[in-house]
Parts: sequence; structure tokens; C-alpha cells
Amino acid sequence: ETGVTQTPRHLVMGMTNKKSLKCEQHLGHNAMYWYKQSAKKPLELMFVYNFKEQTENNSVPSRFSPECPNSSHLFLHLHTLQPEDSALYLCASSQDPNQPQHFGDGTRLSIL
Amino acid sequence: QKEVEQNSGPLSVPEGAIASLNCTYSDRGSQSFFWYRQYSGKSPELIMSIYSNGDKEDGRFTAQLNKASQYVSLLIRDSQPSDSATYLCAVNDGSGNTGKLIFGQGTTLQVKP
Repeated sequence: ETGVTQTPRHLVMGMTNKKSLKCEQHLGHNAMYWYKQSAKKPLELMFVYNFKEQTENNSVPSRFSPECPNSSHLFLHLHTLQPEDSALYLCASSQDPNQPQHFGDGTRLSIL
Repeated sequence: QKEVEQNSGPLSVPEGAIASLNCTYSDRGSQSFFWYRQYSGKSPELIMSIYSNGDKEDGRFTAQLNKASQYVSLLIRDSQPSDSATYLCAVNDGSGNTGKLIFGQGTTLQVKP
């Protein structure tokens, strides 16, 4: 596989469920990112990891919990989400924080 | 609050014409500028990056940057129906090397055959 792979592609969950989104990059990059894309809104950065260390948390509610076990994998753990959290969640990676970011196909999340 | 502004469109051009997409940004410290293309239901795809004032050409695409005016644009020559998509302008947060990108809302381009 090449590029940035996200699973699952679609996820429907209730507000009390716990689920995780997975991202894997095969580009040898050192920085990884989570973004949220809601309808009619600009793409919004959530978290940045560089060499497995979190370097940016863009005031994201604690019901979203990221995990970066190594430079190739990034997770977003979800619990007690709200209907307004329904959105497309995109993972991206870059060689370093100053280089262009490359996106995965995203996970379309729907909260019932 | 740092912002990136784009006209949401839609911008409609005939096939073969030049499409001009514009973006302004508020952070004077920004140093890196990117254009992404996003087809409906798909993820953003990087098409151009530019870091210094002037023009940068890549095939049918030309990015133009004017830091004094805080303005970046994308020109698409010989527009094709396959260019119909939403074009996102992204600018780095100039306050540090955090990798934080600020995106505009995107301009929807329609190329009519």
C-alpha cells in the first residue's frame, strides 16, 4: 500500500459508544495530523504529532483522544460524542511540520 | 483570529479558458502556502506549494504569491471539465514550526464543456 490509509471509511455510532479511527502512512513521514471537515466550514486542524510527540492541540474537546504509537500510525479514540461531531475526519502526514501535507481518504462519522 | 479568505463561488468558466482563484490571509508571519483540490466526496489533494514571492508554474497550474499584499492565487490554464472541484487555499500558522495549517473555505470551480 502507498500513501495515507484511513479505516474505517464510514462509521455510525451512538453517543454512548466508544470507537477508534485509525490512520497509517506509508510515506516515511515524521509528522501526522488529524483534521475535522464539517459541511460549509473550513477544514479544521485538531492535533499535530511530530516524531510521535503531540505538538498541537487545537482546543479539541477531551471526548477526542489521539494516540501516536510510532511515526507511521495515528489513532483517534472517540467516546461520548455529540451529534455536532458528525463530520469527515481526515488524517494527513508530512515529512516535517514545514513540508506539504498529504491526506488520507477520511472517515465519514455519523453520530446518532 | 488568523483567517484565510476565499470566495466560495461557484466560479464558472468555459472549457479551455483560464480560471483564476484567489485567496487572502491575515497572518503576516505565514511563510508556506498551499493549494489543494478536493473533488466531491473525496479528500484534499495537494496541487501546488509556494514559499516565496512571485510565480511558480507546474504544467497548467501557476501559483502566485504576494506577501506584501497577503495574497495568493492559483491560475489554471486551458481549463478542463475534470478540473471541476473545490480548491482549498491553506496557509501555515506563522507563530511557530507547528505544522498548523489554516484553510480557507474553498472556491468551487465549474468548467463547462
